[in-house]
Amino acid sequence: EPEVTQTPSHQVTQMGQEVILRCVPISNHLYFYWYRQILGQKVEFLVSFYNNEISEKSEIFDDQFSVERPDGSNFTLKIRSTKLEDSAMYFCASRRTGISHEQYFGPGTRLTVT
Amino acid sequence: AQTVTQSQPEMSVQEAETVTLSCTYDTSENNYYLFWYKQPPSRQMILVIRQEAYKQQNATENRFSVNFQKAAKSFSLKISDSQLGDTAMYFCAFSPPKSGGGADGLTFGKGTHLIIQP
Repeated sequence: EPEVTQTPSHQVTQMGQEVILRCVPISNHLYFYWYRQILGQKVEFLVSFYNNEISEKSEIFDDQFSVERPDGSNFTLKIRSTKLEDSAMYFCASRRTGISHEQYFGPGTRLTVT
Repeated sequence: AQTVTQSQPEMSVQEAETVTLSCTYDTSENNYYLFWYKQPPSRQMILVIRQEAYKQQNATENRFSVNFQKAAKSFSLKISDSQLGDTAMYFCAFSPPKSGGGADGLTFGKGTHLIIQP
């Protein structure tokens, strides 16, 4: 069964550094998402992406963040100048078009900013 | 803005019992989608069940079923014959449709930690 994959599974970075989190959505899906989950808290929506552009973004998704689909398979989240409070689990999700609104999540990348 | 409320931070039941997790939401939309996601200790988010608001029939998936009360804006999850592997965080999530294409992000509740005791 096709699944969403994410790399790396765990990333440790120093405060102020840039990180890129990578996702490979399910191949026939057209909608892509990033969410984050700070330890012990609920999952929060960051951004959605469709037709090669941002469809919607939350208040959390400020100028520090950017997304890109550099080729036909990868979907990336870049965090510039990381802060301690960026430490969280970052989930990528994808959804196929049509009437289905089911989002399928990847296993997540645990980001630790020190 | 939509909100999702899960009022039970933690629940514990014995194996083979039936358990119901509650979820309420607030929206002005008439058509939308509701989901239950399971997050085991691995922290992977796994879709358990979904419900379209325009469908009156409650969704079922094997041991999992929902009680969807649209007027009350309630969406509870019932797990029958609970198993040790059901131990996880359970998140209720809401998704409004977006006309003209595009995609809306899910709004999640804070979750219920379900513990199945042997």
